[in-house]
Amino acid sequence: DGGITQSPKYLFRKEGQNVTLSCEQNLNHDAMYWYRQDPGQGLRLIYYSQIVNDFQKGDIAEGYSVSREKKESFPLTVTSAQKNPTAFYLCASSSGLLNEQFFGPGTRLTVL
Amino acid sequence: QKEVEQNSGPLSVPEGAIASLNCTYSDRGSQSFFWYRQYSGKSPELIMFIYSNGDKEDGRFTAQLNKASQYVSLLIRDSQPSDSATYLCAPQGADGLTFGKGTHLIIQP
Repeated sequence: DGGITQSPKYLFRKEGQNVTLSCEQNLNHDAMYWYRQDPGQGLRLIYYSQIVNDFQKGDIAEGYSVSREKKESFPLTVTSAQKNPTAFYLCASSSGLLNEQFFGPGTRLTVL
Repeated sequence: QKEVEQNSGPLSVPEGAIASLNCTYSDRGSQSFFWYRQYSGKSPELIMFIYSNGDKEDGRFTAQLNKASQYVSLLIRDSQPSDSATYLCAPQGADGLTFGKGTHLIIQP
């Protein structure tokens, strides 16, 4: 089955720790995205990548880092510099920047 | 700053009636418009998109676009309890999608 997978589904982190969220897609999409969603809020773009080894900051990139070493994978690291990391993190992909995006199931991160 | 405005709701509609969801956007360069449905605790799923002014129908869903007024809407006919969700409007600009905060729709049996 083609699709986007994210792992883990739930993640708990202690303050001061870095944590990496996984996102993999087998749709052969060029573009991948990371969003953050807080309760009652819309999706805010963290980072996006249009091609391998290239990525751009979104609206709220501070405290986050990404890599795009493979077309299929776009992991997100939430660093200790992110002041309020508890949120629902969504990964998406599209065949191009101007095309519809498809979302993975999400990772819910809680900082204890 | 690109803005997408949606009434947050909740919008309560009786089962079988028509639900009307509205969205306005600020980026006049937006060319395509996407509607996503998001159930509580789940990720958004694409249900409809529209490129041209006018109406586009797909089953019980109709998207309406008026670029001159910077307005896009989604109509859901014969509303079902399973339609209860948050609906996100997402205009597409030169650097990708901008999402609204969504309208929470409740279909009352």
